[in-house]
Amino acid sequence: AQSVTQLDSHVSVSEGTPVLLRCNYSSSYSPSLFWYVQHPNKGLQLLLKYTSAATLVKGINGFEAEFKKSETSFHLTKPSAHMSDAAEYFCVVSGGYSSASKIIFGSGTRLSIRP
Amino acid sequence: EAGVVQSPRYKIIEKKQPVAFWCNPISGHNTLYWYLQNLGQGPELLIRYENEEAVDDSQLPKDRFSAERLKGVDSTLKIQPAELGDSAVYLCASSQTGTRGNIQYFGAGTRLSVL
Repeated sequence: AQSVTQLDSHVSVSEGTPVLLRCNYSSSYSPSLFWYVQHPNKGLQLLLKYTSAATLVKGINGFEAEFKKSETSFHLTKPSAHMSDAAEYFCVVSGGYSSASKIIFGSGTRLSIRP
Repeated sequence: EAGVVQSPRYKIIEKKQPVAFWCNPISGHNTLYWYLQNLGQGPELLIRYENEEAVDDSQLPKDRFSAERLKGVDSTLKIQPAELGDSAVYLCASSQTGTRGNIQYFGAGTRLSVL
């Protein structure tokens, strides 16, 4: 069985300060983990993915995430927030090695950036 | 390269009416997904196709929802009859088959309002 929990439904930070969006997962298989971003009225866009290679994954727009198996976490971070980062962020877990595996989205974290 | 194309972008219908959504995946992507996204929540998988075969439709309410992917390319999702609770965004995504940690590419979605 697989599940994913995004621990914060809403995060608000000031522009130029660090961003931390938290995600915990549960998977019976060695999971693949993803972070997607969704801007208003736009499609979901992949930020980064983890598939059992390096545990620190770098993505687009300065985001990165660290896979911690002992903590079953895959938190998303960025050193300095920009106004354009304001969006909804989804953590996704997928088990197994093929597209036949289950894909579960978290409930999302809305990131707000204060000027 | 064109992304995943969905139409229409918006649809308003009265309850008990039928409605259909169309999706054209990225060229060469064998796997196609339909998701339902309610306001403030993460996407939930309705059905997944490998070529023209539906390999996971366990979450599709089959009494009123149907989908097809003739020739393994474009897909349509139909609701008949629509209910008030079907108001949501319907997302289509595609990915390559057999890729470790399949990256899904999403369309912009169809926002359905049932009155």
